[in-house]
Amino acid sequence: TQLLEQSPQFLSIQEGENLTVYCNSSSVFSSLQWYRQEPGEGPVLLVTVVTGGEVKKLKRLTFQFGDARKDSSLHITAAQPGDTGLYLCAGVPPEGGAQKLVFGQGTRLTINP
Amino acid sequence: DTEVTQTPKHLVMGMTNKKSLKCEQHMGHRAMYWYKQKAKKPPELMFVYSYEKLSINESVPSRFSPECPNSSLLNLHLHALQPEDSALYLCASSQTSRDRARKLFFGSGTQLSVL
Repeated sequence: TQLLEQSPQFLSIQEGENLTVYCNSSSVFSSLQWYRQEPGEGPVLLVTVVTGGEVKKLKRLTFQFGDARKDSSLHITAAQPGDTGLYLCAGVPPEGGAQKLVFGQGTRLTINP
Repeated sequence: DTEVTQTPKHLVMGMTNKKSLKCEQHMGHRAMYWYKQKAKKPPELMFVYSYEKLSINESVPSRFSPECPNSSLLNLHLHALQPEDSALYLCASSQTSRDRARKLFFGSGTQLSVL
């Protein structure tokens, strides 16, 4: 069974600070996705990274896929209260495709004004 | 239209009730999913339909019965549920189920409470 370990599980910081969330595994994934979920809503896909070493930027969010495709990170610059939410990483195993998406435990992020 | 629509948004039911959750997408996606999410936990896969056929059942109890009437609709029939089944039930779709980079589109979920 492939597992994704996300850290930290909880993070509360002040507006304007920077932060990094990590998603680690001992297994290789074909691709890795990051979702953001707000209370009472479904997860919304932020980005998919496919190639080892790939870096993608979405405004103040920077996503990186490890060279060996076993880990990923999400870095937020100058966090804002609107960034508050549950961040989930999810890996697509080499076998099975998107139907066997493996989710990390999530990082609950709170940005205080 | 890039939405997955789930109804109802909230549902309260007793342990002897029969109810159904509904999910609809009009993106032409051929894979549809049911996930269960407990508070402060990640989503857990329950069922996958690929081209309207059930392709994955993650050992879900028979009190949950999925149905895919056509490529746009997905139902989850509920009967004789237990209080521990209370959770957010999420429907999702993707273009296919096996493409490694295809994104999942999630609905807003049905918050289910079993009394």
